[in-house]
Amino acid sequence: DAGVIQSPRHEVTEMGQEVTLRCKPISGHNSLFWYRQTMMRGLELLIYFNNNVPIDDSGMPEDRFSAKMPNASFSTLKIQPSEPRDSAVYFCASSLFSSGELFFGEGSRLTVL
Amino acid sequence: GIQVEQSPPDLILQEGANSTLRCNFSDSVNNLQWFHQNPWGQLINLFYIPSGTKQNGRLSATTVATERYSLLYISSSQTTDSGVYFCAVDPNYGGSQGNLIFGKGTKLSVKP
Repeated sequence: DAGVIQSPRHEVTEMGQEVTLRCKPISGHNSLFWYRQTMMRGLELLIYFNNNVPIDDSGMPEDRFSAKMPNASFSTLKIQPSEPRDSAVYFCASSLFSSGELFFGEGSRLTVL
Repeated sequence: GIQVEQSPPDLILQEGANSTLRCNFSDSVNNLQWFHQNPWGQLINLFYIPSGTKQNGRLSATTVATERYSLLYISSSQTTDSGVYFCAVDPNYGGSQGNLIFGKGTKLSVKP
């Protein structure tokens, strides 16, 4: 079975541009998570969904960040407008249930110039 | 909030050596997971272990929830074991299930 699929793998953009990261969770998983990893702050949970419904978005840094999950097989994380401090690796992960075994995608490395 | 501390922060081993990584957490948890991030950045789930002991090949893990710690054992280490090992806990307070709190990791380098 395919794992968590993220795209793009790498994104280089200029400050002020809109960035959209995409994620397809493992089929049958009911929970989806977006994490951000930086050297300074490590792995941080941004937001997670249960059954396509956002449950906890307290980790979303500010209004420039938004996430959607229109159906069980697709989620997006959008940054608008992007800033250099948003540069990081963004991971999507999924699990059968919210406290279940977590499986990560390969990550999207974002560089904002 | 809950604190997750991993030790040691860095570890260098000769291939074939054994090692023990430790994860301490400051409050009760719903579950605990160990992950390996390889040098290419991929995060692989090693163990889902809220309590007890599990083994998978050369790796094993033990969580003693009552004493708030978990150990990851690596036996006969190989160069492919290099990377960062993260412990992550799901705190046991209402309404927050799913918010895994990650430790800062143990960076392991296995030399040939």
